[in-house]
Amino acid sequence: SQTIHQWPATLVQPVGSPLSLECTVEGTSNPNLYWYRQAAGRGLQLLFYSVGIGQISSEVPQNLSASRPQDRQFILSSKKLLLSDSGFYLCAWSLGTAWETQYFGPGTRLLVL
Amino acid sequence: RKEVEQDPGPFNVPEGATVAFNCTYSNSASQSFFWYRQDCRKEPKLLMSVYSSGNEDGRFTAQLNRASQYISLLIRDSKLSDSATYLCVVSSYGQNFVFGPGTRLSVLP
Repeated sequence: SQTIHQWPATLVQPVGSPLSLECTVEGTSNPNLYWYRQAAGRGLQLLFYSVGIGQISSEVPQNLSASRPQDRQFILSSKKLLLSDSGFYLCAWSLGTAWETQYFGPGTRLLVL
Repeated sequence: RKEVEQDPGPFNVPEGATVAFNCTYSNSASQSFFWYRQDCRKEPKLLMSVYSSGNEDGRFTAQLNRASQYISLLIRDSKLSDSATYLCVVSSYGQNFVFGPGTRLSVLP
């Protein structure tokens, strides 16, 4: 069966510091991968998605970037965090075929102070 | 107009009540439809897919009306454990997933 891991689970970072969040998927090959952010009490905002190694599409211009160095690894980064980057970061995967849904990792809760 | 809209909520209902959530979507090319539930401070989890003919899973019934671009979720005999935020999700070609803002449900003892 497929599983998706994210780490760290929680993170407290000062403004201006760098960020690296990691997501890995097990039990499937060539998944579509997604990064979402959810601000407190708000809906899900799609940040990036990837259909393959090195292929990244950005949905929202911001100070974040994403990379996919391996088939089942997706990394979210920032060189300098802003206060507004605080939120719940969720990684998800899907098979990319019609009728298939998305499955989410446990998320990383980021607080920027 | 937002791509996916849901009842604003919150819904506060007593145990045993029947509650219905509504969702509308704007992209007529959408192919796949889902309901997720999200518990407080947790990731969204798939509750059920929504099929054209409508489908039922225990106390949960989902309906799809493509002509009206409308999806519904009915929960019968509400339990305390049903308290969560319910997210309507619409997909095109298995890649572009659009989430509604969610409707929060509180089932009260």
